[in-house]
Amino acid sequence: QLQLQESGSGLVKPSQTLSLTCVVSGGSFSSGNYAWSWIRQSPGKGLEWIGYIYHSGYTYYNSSLKSRVTISIDNSKSQFSLKLNSVTAADTAVYYCARLYSSSTVGDNWFDPWGQGTLVTVSS
Amino acid sequence: SYDLTQPPSVSVSPGQTAGITCSGDQLGNKYTSWYQQRPGQSPVLVIYQNTKRPSGIPERFSGSKSGNTATLTIGGAQPMDEADYYCQVWDNSIVFGGGTKLTVL
Repeated sequence: QLQLQESGSGLVKPSQTLSLTCVVSGGSFSSGNYAWSWIRQSPGKGLEWIGYIYHSGYTYYNSSLKSRVTISIDNSKSQFSLKLNSVTAADTAVYYCARLYSSSTVGDNWFDPWGQGTLVTVSS
Repeated sequence: SYDLTQPPSVSVSPGQTAGITCSGDQLGNKYTSWYQQRPGQSPVLVIYQNTKRPSGIPERFSGSKSGNTATLTIGGAQPMDEADYYCQVWDNSIVFGGGTKLTVL
């Protein structure tokens, strides 16, 4: 059974860089139909997609965050990472990693499974 | 940017049927997925490709679409179904609806 586990700094100072890693275990990491994604949820709010990466290294980001986001992948370790720079209090959220399945049909995609999430607080 | 509209809350009595809607422009031409998020937990996929149910999801969960509105139906709602539910589509980006809090009481 595929499992994803987030880790990283839980407290980040304003203007600094948020860094998280997601380790994937129990399943295939390099299938062409899967992308590895980050999603966040501000306290008491809804879900916001951040971006995804394929095992090839191809990335696609939410346009609202694109200027501050970098997602990278390490296939040898079955893990992928998120860096979000110039953070503010508005970036305080639970950050989830998840596998995105995409078929050959544009728009046919869904997230399954999700990691347990990790809370990142931006505060001085 | 593309917007998906969900009702903020839906209430249902145990054993009754609950419907949660998700509306958006041209939604009829898009694939919709649905996620359940119980309090303090991660989201779980309950419907994908508009109507399909992943392995392990109870049969009381079903998805449908009519025009530009997708609906998640929970037939015979249980107290354990009390959760937030989110719809999701692709529109040159991944888009989530604002979420609907389902109360079963």
